[in-house]
Amino acid sequence: QKEVEQDPGPLSVPEGAIVSLNCTYSNSAFQYFMWYRQYSRKGPELLMYTYSSGNKEDGRFTAQVDKSSKYISLFIRDSQPSDSATYLCASSYGNNRLAFGKGNQVVVIP
Amino acid sequence: EPEVTQTPSHQVTQMGQEVILRCVPISNHLYFYWYRQILGQKVEFLVSFYNNEISEKSEIFDDQFSVERPDGSNFTLKIRSTKLEDSAMYFCASRAESGNTIYFGEGSWLTVV
Repeated sequence: QKEVEQDPGPLSVPEGAIVSLNCTYSNSAFQYFMWYRQYSRKGPELLMYTYSSGNKEDGRFTAQVDKSSKYISLFIRDSQPSDSATYLCASSYGNNRLAFGKGNQVVVIP
Repeated sequence: EPEVTQTPSHQVTQMGQEVILRCVPISNHLYFYWYRQILGQKVEFLVSFYNNEISEKSEIFDDQFSVERPDGSNFTLKIRSTKLEDSAMYFCASRAESGNTIYFGEGSWLTVV
């Protein structure tokens, strides 16, 4: 099932750098777009939620959705070691089934 | 902050045994879900439950799986006869009727040997 694709390669950045994460999706009916953060062997924790296209900012986090290109992005400014985690993008067209990407492991090096 | 709680955190079971995973969703939520994540794989949707019945299920959720809300607070996932490939982290999640945000529990790690 390839509804949401996320290049799973790990990403290492120095503290203070901008982290940029991307996903693509295939289902044009998707209207809801989310980014979850997951620490090792823990449950996904919702970071950002966006409905339809546009940008949303919350502190150091910015989520972008471009429905014309089916592209979802997350930017983390001034990254901190505590941001080290796996980041999962997810999409849905209704309120039930979330389709997740595989996740990006991010390591912020002090 | 309200949270979804799951028990057990880790269970080891022999192939062919029945397993019940338990969840207490957030108290005012009405939509309940089970997802699973095989090690190194995507988080996958299993089933959603609303108004005491299954509202949607994936192709993974076959006859070996069942869900139940036995009382006003618990939501369970039963696997009737476990297989090796059922080894995964199982996440319970819930959502309020008026909201769009799905909140996940910490997960139950199931190992089938």
